[in-house]
Amino acid sequence: GAGVSQSPSNKVTEKGKDVELRCDPISGHTALYWYRQSLGQGLEFLIYFQGNSAPDKSGLPSDRFSAERTGGSVSTLTIQRTQQEDSAVYLCASSRTGRLGTEAFFGQGTRLTVV
Amino acid sequence: AQSVSQHNHHVILSEAASLELGCNYSYGGTVNLFWYVQYPGQHLQLLLKYFSGDPLVKGIKGFEAEFIKSKFSFNLRKPSVQWSDTAEYFCAVMDSNYQLIWGAGTKLIIKP
Repeated sequence: GAGVSQSPSNKVTEKGKDVELRCDPISGHTALYWYRQSLGQGLEFLIYFQGNSAPDKSGLPSDRFSAERTGGSVSTLTIQRTQQEDSAVYLCASSRTGRLGTEAFFGQGTRLTVV
Repeated sequence: AQSVSQHNHHVILSEAASLELGCNYSYGGTVNLFWYVQYPGQHLQLLLKYFSGDPLVKGIKGFEAEFIKSKFSFNLRKPSVQWSDTAEYFCAVMDSNYQLIWGAGTKLIIKP
């Protein structure tokens, strides 16, 4: 597709379950970002992939969160043993490069609700 | 840690009023500055950006923003808003570590 695609668009899960969120970036984009937006909060950086470099995981809030990017394209964000405070919209973005001066394109997000 | 501050969380204006949304950031190095907009039910999209050069940048839909380095500010302006400008507006800063740092957003409601 032409844009960043995220799936599912909505996910309701029970506390304690694991969830996987998927992001398909724009073809050819080497940089991929995961963010989350909680109620009343600004966008919170989670993780950043740039090409084949080691990802910047400095934003992951706990060891229950992990992410992979296979083949430099699709990325999966996994949240293990979900908690209610994990409820948020998880946004993925990609950009042509990760360098200053390049625009990030966002997906529509996955709204995660932990009940 | 770097931070981005948007002063108003909610703004309500009447059509044709002038708009200014504040954005201040804390990073002292080279930055790229962005304003993103999220219309109801849609995903984030870029409104305008500043990388270098003229500190007054013009974006889509009549928006502009001015980078004032001495004040660490990048305020968004529009001389006359329309009902269709109802949306949430996010200021973002990219620092030299290529990390985008976001403000909390400002919800703008335009009364017809």
